[in-house]
Amino acid sequence: QVQLQESGPGLVKPSQTLSLTCTVSGGSISSGGYYWNWIRQHPRKGLEWIGYIYDSGSTYYNPSLKSRGTISVDTSKNQFSLKLTSVTAADTAVYYCARETRYSGYDAIDYWGQGSLVTVSS
Amino acid sequence: DIQMTQSPSSLSASVGDRVTITCRASQTISSYLNWFQQKPGKAPKLLIYAASNLQGGVPSRFSASGSGTDFTLTISSLQPEDFATYYCQQSYSAPITFGQGTRLQIK
Repeated sequence: QVQLQESGPGLVKPSQTLSLTCTVSGGSISSGGYYWNWIRQHPRKGLEWIGYIYDSGSTYYNPSLKSRGTISVDTSKNQFSLKLTSVTAADTAVYYCARETRYSGYDAIDYWGQGSLVTVSS
Repeated sequence: DIQMTQSPSSLSASVGDRVTITCRASQTISSYLNWFQQKPGKAPKLLIYAASNLQGGVPSRFSASGSGTDFTLTISSLQPEDFATYYCQQSYSAPITFGQGTRLQIK
């Protein structure tokens, strides 16, 4: 059973960099064929996709982040990470890491972490 | 970006009721449509992938259909554990986008 767990500071000051790590257990992050995603949810709001890293190391980000996001992978630790620079209060959200799998040609996010609340405040 | 619009935004129903939630995409997405259930304080849970395929372990009272731009999620007989927020999500093209959610409440 695959499990994902986010970790990182719960409080970040405005203009600083938000850093989160997702540790994957029950499966190898380098086994191939998956997209490793970051998704966030603003308080009492809907879901916003941040970006993903593909097993080859390719990345894609939501243009709404205006190039502030970076996703990387550390296969030796079975982890992937998110860095979001120049944060503001608008970046306050629960951040989820999640695995996306291809089912017969269709992609679906089938495993999620429990979520990590990050508050941006001085 | 592809916009996903769900209706209704909220819905009140009783145990045993049949309910339907709709999701409309701003452009055609074939069958690249997934449905999630989210309970307070929890991560979303995948219910349906590729528009109509039930994820393993999901009760058969959940069903879904549609293709192109219009999709529906139906719960045939509501159970107490079904009261939650439901989201549709398109995987046709990046950036992935979600509907705004439908909150299903107990009447």
